[in-house]
Amino acid sequence: EVQLVESGGGLVQPGGSLRLSCAASGFTLSDYYMDWVRQAPGKGLEWVGRTRDKAKSYATEYAASVNGRFTISRDDSKNSLNLQLNSLKTEDTAVYYCARDEYGGFTYWGQGTLVTVSS
Amino acid sequence: QSALTQPASVSGSPGQSITISCTGTSSDVVNYNSVSWYQQHPGKAPKLMISEVSNRPSGVSNRFSGSKSGNTASLTISGLQAEDEADYYCSSYTTSSTRVFGGGTKLTVL
Repeated sequence: EVQLVESGGGLVQPGGSLRLSCAASGFTLSDYYMDWVRQAPGKGLEWVGRTRDKAKSYATEYAASVNGRFTISRDDSKNSLNLQLNSLKTEDTAVYYCARDEYGGFTYWGQGTLVTVSS
Repeated sequence: QSALTQPASVSGSPGQSITISCTGTSSDVVNYNSVSWYQQHPGKAPKLMISEVSNRPSGVSNRFSGSKSGNTASLTISGLQAEDEADYYCSSYTTSSTRVFGGGTKLTVL
């Protein structure tokens, strides 16, 4: 059974940093494109970024709103995906989801982890 | 990249059919068939309902169907049921190799 479990969310001050993780089970993470999607409280979904699969050298793309501040990486030994969030702003407050990207859509989603940026 | 345009809300009675539109541009919907639809119930993670414009993943009811014409993709739900009440989002691949979501549509089953 495919499962994605995010962790690492919490309260952080503006300008601070946080590292989110997404533990995958039931499949080999390196074989798939993986994305991060966020949802601010009471708002819609916003695409954050993507890491392509091992065959595509794990190339990454990011939304303009986070480019240069957020970094996606993988840990193949742990079958996990990471999202490093730097220079955080209050508008980055959201639930962050990891999702498996295939067949033109996000087929599996984690339950999400809440990041709150506030002083 | 601007968000795709969806109606804020739609409603229908049980048994009826409704359609949710998703309007984009030549930078996304027009030139890609990577248009997908998601259902999200309150407090839950989104669920893929339609991928690649009209493909229904295993386990998704055949009451859900998708289509695209020009710059507008559509999700149709037939035989509306109370459990269909949720938020629905469309998404598309873009010419910038990114993805973009619509603003979301709240479906109310009367």
